[in-house]
Amino acid sequence: GESVGLHLPTLSVQEGDNSIINCAYSNSASDYFIWYKQESGKGPQFIIDIRSNMDKRQGQRVTVLLNKTVKHLSLQIAATQPGDSAVYFCAENQYNFNKFYFGSGTKLNVKP
Amino acid sequence: DAGVIQSPRHEVTEMGQEVTLRCKPISGHDYLFWYRQTMMRGLELLIYFNNNVPIDDSGMPEDRFSAKMPNASFSTLKIQPSEPRDSAVYFCASSPLGGGYTFGSGTRLTVV
Repeated sequence: GESVGLHLPTLSVQEGDNSIINCAYSNSASDYFIWYKQESGKGPQFIIDIRSNMDKRQGQRVTVLLNKTVKHLSLQIAATQPGDSAVYFCAENQYNFNKFYFGSGTKLNVKP
Repeated sequence: DAGVIQSPRHEVTEMGQEVTLRCKPISGHDYLFWYRQTMMRGLELLIYFNNNVPIDDSGMPEDRFSAKMPNASFSTLKIQPSEPRDSAVYFCASSPLGGGYTFGSGTRLTVV
């Protein structure tokens, strides 16, 4: 029979453009957030993190923005490359230190 | 460091058989996590350990699932008896206190 699964939102961008991936988190008490990248057949890979005492953090080609008022997290990727094609997850740490909950993910498709 | 090492990479077994998944965390990481990933439910936390002690096993779906961490460098996730609905990718991850996770490459389990 037909299988029903998570319908991952997909973002398609042209190579060289900037990408913005969004995530809404659920718990206002969460104080630590991480973005992960998962390529096909691999485990999730740490990209960048941010703590709740910050609004913005920059890495190499990536920036994470945190808006605690509306419980929103975003990942910006500058000059997107084909190698950025993957599923991106945000994760929040709730209550217990070191116990993260993952969002359902967004698939990024980079068109050459 | 070789990262988090999981074995086997792929496992195909018949319904009713016992399955054991293995994980070697990164040396010095105090926390070890077992996750399951499916299209239906995304990434689910099954259980996690701190200093070899199980802290939270609320995500373990049934009594058929059990996990052990006999020492700081080894953990197992066992399913007995296995069922087709257990088919998924199982990830192990480890982290230091206050840090993000490093995931293994996962074990793809297929129960027929």
